[in-house]
Amino acid sequence: KQEVTQIPAALSVPEGENLVLNCSFTDSAIYNLQWFRQDPGKGLTSLLLIQSSQREQTSGRLNASLDKSSGRSTLYIAASQPGDSATYLCAGNAGNNRKLIWGLGTSLAVNP
Amino acid sequence: DGGITQSPKYLFRKEGQNVTLSCEQNLNHDAMYWYRQDPGQGLRLIYYSQIVNDFQKGDIAEGYSVSREKKESFPLTVTSAQKNPTAFYLCASSMGTGGSYSNQPQHFGDGTRLSIL
Repeated sequence: KQEVTQIPAALSVPEGENLVLNCSFTDSAIYNLQWFRQDPGKGLTSLLLIQSSQREQTSGRLNASLDKSSGRSTLYIAASQPGDSATYLCAGNAGNNRKLIWGLGTSLAVNP
Repeated sequence: DGGITQSPKYLFRKEGQNVTLSCEQNLNHDAMYWYRQDPGQGLRLIYYSQIVNDFQKGDIAEGYSVSREKKESFPLTVTSAQKNPTAFYLCASSMGTGGSYSNQPQHFGDGTRLSIL
């Protein structure tokens, strides 16, 4: 059974730091992987989607990588800002119907 | 602006009552989804629909029902059979049909928080 784990569960950093959020999955037969952002009491915003044939995706200060052989994805945030404070969730497509399997998220606080 | 609209933002259910959560999208997406989010648990899929007039059960469909009569709309009914309905409900949509729908990012509404009176 595919499981997705996100470490750390919570992270607090000063503004301007570069940081890495980790996502690991138990089954390397993952089809693609998505990173989302969730602000308190809100829905999710899609940040990056890495398809099966890709190794990484970039959008602005965000870079996500996918290493299927090791069962890991990382989300790199450069020059963090207070506005980056949110919960970051990763989700992988797996199984015959390719439903998303979700991690519990990393709660990020960027302090001014 | 294109997007997904969920209403109401807050909803209260009395014991024995059915309630319906609305989800409308103007993104012209084929696929739509309903998730439930509880503290300390990952998002869990309730129902999904890849095309009009068709929908599939997700992992926790018991106590819920859906319809997909129009491409834009995917309402979720929480029935009285759902004994623990208190949660944050999220609707999402994505492009693509069949096996390709999973290649597209899912776009989410702002959610409906359901509580029991």
